[in-house]
Amino acid sequence: NAGVTQTPKFQVLKTGQSMTLQCAQDMNHNSMYWYRQDPGMGLRLIYYSASEGTTDKGEVPNGYNVSRLNKREFSLRLESAAPSQTSVYFCASSAQGRSGELFFGEGSRLTVL
Amino acid sequence: AQSVTQPDIHITVSEGASLELRCNYSYGATPYLFWYVQSPGQGLQLLLKYFSGDTLVQGIKGFEAEFKRSQSSFNLRKPSVHWSDAAEYFCAVGARGKLIFGQGTELSVKP
Repeated sequence: NAGVTQTPKFQVLKTGQSMTLQCAQDMNHNSMYWYRQDPGMGLRLIYYSASEGTTDKGEVPNGYNVSRLNKREFSLRLESAAPSQTSVYFCASSAQGRSGELFFGEGSRLTVL
Repeated sequence: AQSVTQPDIHITVSEGASLELRCNYSYGATPYLFWYVQSPGQGLQLLLKYFSGDTLVQGIKGFEAEFKRSQSSFNLRKPSVHWSDAAEYFCAVGARGKLIFGQGTELSVKP
């Protein structure tokens, strides 16, 4: 039972490089999310997709783009990485509905030099 | 503004002792409240949630939390802590998956 799977788990980039974080869920959830986790700041929402075909900005969207490829997959792209984007990134999914209980992947640790 | 505050960054308790982690929130509408736990190198796992009804909610691993509207609080408790409870705990508020998280409380357990 995989749940939410993220790749890669670790990545080191140089400033200005681009990369895409991949996320897939096998729970047939409609909604998917990307959060970043920084020490002392908890998790902050970057982008979310309430359903296939829609995406919306969260609290900290600058420097990121997303693609909801299909119902299962939701990718996060850094076009020109900056040291401020060094963080742990979590993908999450939830079934449709107000309750919004999130199911998280194991995270992707990104370092930008 | 919507926010969640966890006043304690780090707490150490002895194994077998009781535990209370504090959480205060500011949210415009009726809140949906959550507690998540994160073990090192892992994602977050839901411990419990409050949507409505009974203000004392039970979760997994023997945890419970009490919603107090008058105090805007949702504190997490456990009567007897086990060494395996050592982790970071996050309180969150929100709806439809758009959650606002607190800064987290790291729990250490002494033998």
